[in-house]
Amino acid sequence: DIQMTQSPSSLSASIGDTVTITCRASQSIDNYLHWYQQKPGKAPKLLIFAASSLPRGIPSRFSGGGSGTDFTLTIRNLQPEDFATFYCLQGYSPPHTFGQGTKLEIK
Amino acid sequence: DVQLVESGGGLVQPGGPLTLSCSASGFTYKNYAMSWVRQAPGKGLEWVSAIDRVGTRIYYADSVKGRFTISRDNSKDTLFLEVQSLRAEDTALYYCARLSGASGYDDVPDYWGQGTLVTVSS
Repeated sequence: DIQMTQSPSSLSASIGDTVTITCRASQSIDNYLHWYQQKPGKAPKLLIFAASSLPRGIPSRFSGGGSGTDFTLTIRNLQPEDFATFYCLQGYSPPHTFGQGTKLEIK
Repeated sequence: DVQLVESGGGLVQPGGPLTLSCSASGFTYKNYAMSWVRQAPGKGLEWVSAIDRVGTRIYYADSVKGRFTISRDNSKDTLFLEVQSLRAEDTALYYCARLSGASGYDDVPDYWGQGTLVTVSS
């Protein structure tokens, strides 16, 4: 099975900052890497699919990059509503696997 | 709008069975693969299972293989997860998610329900 290592596990930042979260796959997954945002008590929300594509309605301050084994999620100009937990998901081959999550908190 | 509503969770004794359901609306259900993802209290997300649009190609996480069975009824726009031999570590919020394609193999979970809670305890 493909293992996903996500870092950091937690992060503190201020409004207006830029933050980057990384995810590393245990083998190449091409660009089958997706990012989700989850707020307390809510279902996960798709933020980025296929490493760098934004679904309709996701603000352009969110961006994704990478291919193969190393991927990044970058959030620019942090807004109050961005503080949440973020997960990566590899969809290259089943069983699909999530990263451990990154909790983004307000400094 | 896409809507997914899970049901069937509850308190169950270790070793017991349970069947979870997910009722779909707002899209042509039979055209999409579907999946289940769970989240133990205070923990991260765990991918559980996926099924293609016709119910012939099915995938499971190693942690549930042999104990969980995913299925679907395209005439009723409903997804199921039969869970057997439940363990304490199966305690979690179980989410149903629509996949972006038909195969379930490499599709993206794009819409999620709000989850149904399964608690395994004596």
